[in-house]
Amino acid sequence: GQQLNQSPQSMFIQEGEDVSMNCTSSSIFNTWLWYKQEPGEGPVLLIALYKAGELTSNGRLTAQFGITRKDSFLNISASIPSDVGIYFCAGRRNSGGSNYKLTFGKGTLLTVNP
Amino acid sequence: DVKVTQSSRYLVKRTGEKVFLECVQDMDHENMFWYRQDPGLGLRLIYFSYDVKMKEKGDIPEGYSVSREKKERFSLILESASTNQTSMYLCASSLLTPGNEKLFFGSGTQLSVL
Repeated sequence: GQQLNQSPQSMFIQEGEDVSMNCTSSSIFNTWLWYKQEPGEGPVLLIALYKAGELTSNGRLTAQFGITRKDSFLNISASIPSDVGIYFCAGRRNSGGSNYKLTFGKGTLLTVNP
Repeated sequence: DVKVTQSSRYLVKRTGEKVFLECVQDMDHENMFWYRQDPGLGLRLIYFSYDVKMKEKGDIPEGYSVSREKKERFSLILESASTNQTSMYLCASSLLTPGNEKLFFGSGTQLSVL
């Protein structure tokens, strides 16, 4: 199947630091999404991106849809302890019968030290 | 708010048992999905359904089957559980379109097969 390469695998940071993570693919995606999974819960959608070059913010989170449509970035500014969790990127190709399917990255585990 | 409810938070089963994982959503979503989540492997799609009695294989359907007799309910069946099916199972739902990329997840079922 399609592969999304998400990095880094894990991050240990101090409260107040900024965080960056990214996802790359060898294939073009038409939609990029970022989800966050807190301990003991299912993933929750943070940001959805629909257009190449699009930059979208949600509070301290900012995500970008890469110009080549093969990558996406998520930045978190001024991290706080409740940012802890696993962050997943996901991409979708608008391709007929597979239109419902997302491809997920393997996740970035974020730990924030108070 | 959309609610996706998985019937069990934790399950322990023996090798060879038939296992049913149940999922119910309350927002009249057409699409429903079953993923499994394993450390280092991210989320992998097992099966999905875009309508009652309709189902399509995901990326790792082997050893699993599904049932969607009612719109709100999507069941994952392990006909004969094996130890390599020990995992976290996540159910999700979404609209058919537009917005079918926005998945709403349940809290997950941690299945241990002994």
